[in-house]
Amino acid sequence: SSELTQDPAVSVALGQTVRITCQGDSLRTYHASWYQQKPGQAPVLVNYGTNYRPSGIPDRFSGSSSGDTASLTITGAQAEDDADYYCNSRDSSGNRLVFGTGTKVTVL
Amino acid sequence: QVQLVQSGAEVKKPGASVKVSCKAAGYNFTSYDIFWVRQATGQGLEWMGWMKPGSGKIGYAQKFQGRVTLTRNTSIATAYMELSSLKSDDTAVYYCALHHHYESGDLRVSWFDPWGQGTLVTVSP
Repeated sequence: SSELTQDPAVSVALGQTVRITCQGDSLRTYHASWYQQKPGQAPVLVNYGTNYRPSGIPDRFSGSSSGDTASLTITGAQAEDDADYYCNSRDSSGNRLVFGTGTKVTVL
Repeated sequence: QVQLVQSGAEVKKPGASVKVSCKAAGYNFTSYDIFWVRQATGQGLEWMGWMKPGSGKIGYAQKFQGRVTLTRNTSIATAYMELSSLKSDDTAVYYCALHHHYESGDLRVSWFDPWGQGTLVTVSP
């Protein structure tokens, strides 16, 4: 079982803001990275650390962290943001990497 | 640009083995760790193991210990994942991904970028 917990599904109206959370004790020590995955495609890195975005990722994707929870916020969600999102960080021992359970984001 | 290109889909019978390749391009193959991650249909991401291509050092997730073997050929910048004793629930898409990590002060983070395109392995009688 994953040590990083995410809400299974969230929905957001087109152009509105949605926050996806990832909860785990290890997040008090380690930062998270975030991945977007569309059906039939490989995951794509969208944010990591203290809000770093890879080249080509829109600035509507922002990351933050507080206590045992990391968050990915999509500000002004677009239709193409409809996808699964996974967080990743270390487990509570810090010795191995673990993925979150995933969140399905539906843009209405 | 940096990219990982994986081998094509495979269909295997229960009890057989499968070997998936991951060819790296656009960077020094020995500079970054490569992780292998799998995803069963409709399920989440699950890491299987990692390799440091430079040294050959390897680590396996406990779940796959004894069934997965990671190797590499540095002369052709290619990493391999072999999974043995296949079962029907090994049917999944298998990904390789380039691993990065950074630690400085309070910032401790790792990330995977890029990912290979994935290889579907189907295990069926």
